[in-house]
Amino acid sequence: SQQGEEDPQALSIQEGENATMNCSYKTSINNLQWYRQNSGRGLVHLILIRSNEREKHSGRLRVTLDTSKKSSSLLITASRAADTASYFCAPDPSSNTGKLIFGQGTTLQVKP
Amino acid sequence: EPEVTQTPSHQVTQMGQEVILRCVPISNHLYFYWYRQILGQKVEFLVSFYNNEISEKSEIFDDQFSVERPDGSNFTLKIRSTKLEDSAMYFCASGIRETQYFGPGTRLLVL
Repeated sequence: SQQGEEDPQALSIQEGENATMNCSYKTSINNLQWYRQNSGRGLVHLILIRSNEREKHSGRLRVTLDTSKKSSSLLITASRAADTASYFCAPDPSSNTGKLIFGQGTTLQVKP
Repeated sequence: EPEVTQTPSHQVTQMGQEVILRCVPISNHLYFYWYRQILGQKVEFLVSFYNNEISEKSEIFDDQFSVERPDGSNFTLKIRSTKLEDSAMYFCASGIRETQYFGPGTRLLVL
């Protein structure tokens, strides 16, 4: 497995605005997943995008994947105060044994 | 919707004591994991478990740690002789290969 690097480290926006966070990784992948962690709680799986997909939507979430640049982005549209959390990407290489390696994440604060 | 559950939610123990953290994974899942998160730090992988055996473990998962699936539903993490640095949030996760579903965690405090 490999660790994704999320950027920015911290993001503060007003409710209703869109939030974009990015993830870069180093080696080829099978898929990439995004997770959310509310403070001190367990991680919640948000979305999985496979290496042959370029974009995927789930509700207010939009994920893109650019395998040539080894990067992914997560867009949260019309953000709400409840979206305040840390967001992590988990690149899943072809040879993965199943473990996920998490980086520092992007800490998103949505102000009401 | 099925979820991963963990007990206890909090545990305080004395250094050198044994602790057992319990998890009930989602029933049709085949892969089981333990992670930990020291306060203010990243979530770290400890161990993965499949087909009744450890499939991978990290450097953190030394001889003081063990995992067991004693009865086909529970999945436990045992720390034989706790150290101060074992204080952390411990998360169990289960999955059908790619996506992992995490429990709410057990906060362990070693005094």
